[in-house]
Amino acid sequence: GAGVSQSPSNKVTEKGKDVELRCDPISGHTALYWYRQSLGQGLEFLIYFQGNSAPDKSGLPSDRFSAERTGGSVSTLTIQRTQQEDSAVYLCASSLRAGTWDTGELFFGEGSRLTVL
Amino acid sequence: SQQGEEDPQALSIQEGENATMNCSYKTSINNLQWYRQNSGRGLVHLILIRSNEREKHSGRLRVTLDTSKKSSSLLITASRAADTASYFCARRKTGNQFYFGTGTSLTVIP
Repeated sequence: GAGVSQSPSNKVTEKGKDVELRCDPISGHTALYWYRQSLGQGLEFLIYFQGNSAPDKSGLPSDRFSAERTGGSVSTLTIQRTQQEDSAVYLCASSLRAGTWDTGELFFGEGSRLTVL
Repeated sequence: SQQGEEDPQALSIQEGENATMNCSYKTSINNLQWYRQNSGRGLVHLILIRSNEREKHSGRLRVTLDTSKKSSSLLITASRAADTASYFCARRKTGNQFYFGTGTSLTVIP
């Protein structure tokens, strides 16, 4: 498709289980971001990938969270031993490239809604 | 806080009125962007203003930026019911990170 694709759109899991969320960015976009949005809140930055550079993991809330991006395209966000406070919408965004004066416009997916019981 | 601060948190207006939302930030920026989010959906880019620009227009949208006050405003003129959504400002810092505010929830009453 032409847009950012995320799966699953909804995930309900039990506390303590691991979950994987997938993001398929727009073809050719070298920058990829993960954000978390709790109910009625703003977006919390989690992690950023740019090409083959080391990812910026500064926003990951704990070591239970990890993400990888294979082949510079698809990304997977993994949450281990989920807790109830992990319940949120996880949004992925991609951008054509990063630079000082390019637009830097982010294209968002529809999000993966995670509910931890 | 790394995030911008939008105000008001919520705004309710009649169709046809103008809606103004503000965004304040704390650190220097390369550019500032405004995004819209319909309920249960992802964010959609509306408009970008660079740090050396003071005002920008796009259709019914007008964005201003005052770097001395570290603030921006988004004006939607002649609002429509379809403008009902949450609006976020995003600040791009050096290093290509984008920080989003907490958003303004706009309700346009038909």
